[in-house]
Amino acid sequence: GENVEQHPSTLSVQEGDSAVIKCTYSDSASNYFPWYKQELGKGPQLIIDIRSNVGEKKDQRIAVTLNKTAKHFSLHITETQPEDSAVYFCAASAGGTSYGKLTFGQGTILTVHP
Amino acid sequence: GAGVSQTPSNKVTEKGKYVELRCDPISGHTALYWYRQSLGQGPEFLIYFQGTGAADDSGLPNDRFFAVRPEGSVSTLKIQRTERGDSAVYLCASSREGGDTQYFGPGTRLTVL
Repeated sequence: GENVEQHPSTLSVQEGDSAVIKCTYSDSASNYFPWYKQELGKGPQLIIDIRSNVGEKKDQRIAVTLNKTAKHFSLHITETQPEDSAVYFCAASAGGTSYGKLTFGQGTILTVHP
Repeated sequence: GAGVSQTPSNKVTEKGKYVELRCDPISGHTALYWYRQSLGQGPEFLIYFQGTGAADDSGLPNDRFFAVRPEGSVSTLKIQRTERGDSAVYLCASSREGGDTQYFGPGTRLTVL
């Protein structure tokens, strides 16, 4: 089955700096890659997602890049703010019989210091 | 509109007891998913419903776990003979169709004493 590895496990930045979180996946059939933000005591909230027919997607301060050949994708947050502090999860989903099933990475605890 | 809701928000039970966890998906969403999240880990897939039927139940850990969605809307996750290792946050998500963006509920924190 699919395996998703996420790095780093913790990331500490100063307000205004950029933050980058990287994920690799094992199943070449995976074609959908969402990123979720989870705050303490809450469910994961989708922040951005990308499908395999594009290499990059941007939404204001957040961008995701995908390299299908290398089987890795990354989340980029620019001009970080204290409210960006949370746990971030990447995930991957394949088609076929796995359609809809998300496999998550282990998470990255992002801390943005004012 | 309203998001995914889950009840109860917290459930404390004793080892060996039976529990039911409920999920109300976003109105009109045909796909519903259950995940389990242990402390410090990412969510782990349990089961996926398309309409009333379980399209993929490969993540259910054993036959103590069962889920239903009889009318294609609300779903109930049922755990028999609970064990301490079942303690976790149980998350529900829904999407318009299978493979579309999944929206998560706040979860039910299950503690088995």
